[in-house]
Amino acid sequence: EDQVTQSPEALRLQEGESSSLNCSYTVSGLRGLFWYRQDPGKGPEFLFTLYSAGEEKEKERLKATLTKKESFLHITAPKPEDSATYLCAVQAFGGATNKLIFGTGTLLAVQP
Amino acid sequence: AAGVIQSPRHLIKEKRETATLKCYPIPRHDTVYWYQQGPGQDPQFLISFYEKMQSDKGSIPDRFSAQQFSDYHSELNMSSLELGDSALYFCASSLGGQLEKLFFGSGTQLSVL
Repeated sequence: EDQVTQSPEALRLQEGESSSLNCSYTVSGLRGLFWYRQDPGKGPEFLFTLYSAGEEKEKERLKATLTKKESFLHITAPKPEDSATYLCAVQAFGGATNKLIFGTGTLLAVQP
Repeated sequence: AAGVIQSPRHLIKEKRETATLKCYPIPRHDTVYWYQQGPGQDPQFLISFYEKMQSDKGSIPDRFSAQQFSDYHSELNMSSLELGDSALYFCASSLGGQLEKLFFGSGTQLSVL
């Protein structure tokens, strides 16, 4: 069964303290891995899509990387406005191809 | 820029009642997806439509039905509501079923009492 697991469940950082969030996945065949940011009471906001092992993408203080079994979201020198839940999702080959399988997210709190 | 619009924003219903959630995709987007997110849980895929036809089906209960209309807006109809249906229901849209450019609405918070 296709599955996505994120860790840690929650993370508290001081402003400027860099860290990484982990997303481990088990799928029959990976079509794409997605990172989203979700603020309370709002819909997920797209951040990155990764397709193949070794791929990296960056946006401001965020960098996403992908291996054959996991993805990392690196946050460099975070600011309080980076506080949110970060969701990882995968799209698998076969089955319902229009479907994203989400992890339960990492709740990030950045303190000033 | 126009985003995905969902209505209502909040909805309170009693058990066994019915509810209709509406979703208006980004202009020119032809694909609509529905997700259900329980408290503290990950979003679960319910159903999707492409060009007014159902394209994929996930964990949508038989008590729920959905459709996409000629103007591409979509409605999720929920009957015989149960306490466990309380959740945030998200609609998302994309062009041509491209998940790489998937945009979510702010959701409808359904509370079943």
